Amino acid sequence: SSELTQDPAVSVALGQTVRITCQGDSLRRCYASWYQQKPGQAPILVIYGKNNRPSEIPDRFSGSSSGNTASLTITGAQAEDEADYYCNCRDTSGSHWVFGGGTKLTVL
Amino acid sequence: QVQLVQSGPEVKKPGASVKVACKTSGYTFTSHYMHWVRQAPGQGLDWMGIINPSGGWTSYTQKLQGRVTITRDTSTSTVYMELTSLRPDDTAVYYCARDLSSDYGGTTGWWFDPWGQGTLVTVSS
Repeated sequence: SSELTQDPAVSVALGQTVRITCQGDSLRRCYASWYQQKPGQAPILVIYGKNNRPSEIPDRFSGSSSGNTASLTITGAQAEDEADYYCNCRDTSGSHWVFGGGTKLTVL
Repeated sequence: QVQLVQSGPEVKKPGASVKVACKTSGYTFTSHYMHWVRQAPGQGLDWMGIINPSGGWTSYTQKLQGRVTITRDTSTSTVYMELTSLRPDDTAVYYCARDLSSDYGGTTGWWFDPWGQGTLVTVSS
């Protein structure tokens, strides 16, 4: 299968830890990348490769992978983390890429 | 710094074509593949295709096969995405995004960074 599956919505209390997951067969051979998108803005990269962050991304963002599941963890969620999050990977065909359906994160 | 600057919004009638430009700067144009991604109003991100600016190789999503063409102009470091036979459900923001990748002991990671600012294409009669 070339699909990546994400929970549509997740909520977290301010300052608590939240995990957003992404499942799909292609994740067995590909490290997922993760993107944050706020309303009216282009997506930005938050996690890539084997748990790497761009320099401008806070260290409360981390990534992990096991089998067919990739996870994005926010440790100590802040109000500004409220956004849509998308995972992405190259699919099993080797020449196409696929996004998960996205997870809307609400910080309570 | 690396920048991807896209052309402006477009309004098209059903059946027409649109060509969106993505002008790059701040890096060697032929060293990185380029993706196109679209996002319909209120919907998620949808991968459209990729081009190798060095040799011109392309790959497209099956959903758009035959209607989408991605090209490049190495003299101006610009990538183009053309979509033909436009329908109202092609109304979306279209993004270009630079491809990067790395191998981690047999497992590869790919990522898109940076992204262009997006181009709104509206298809309406």
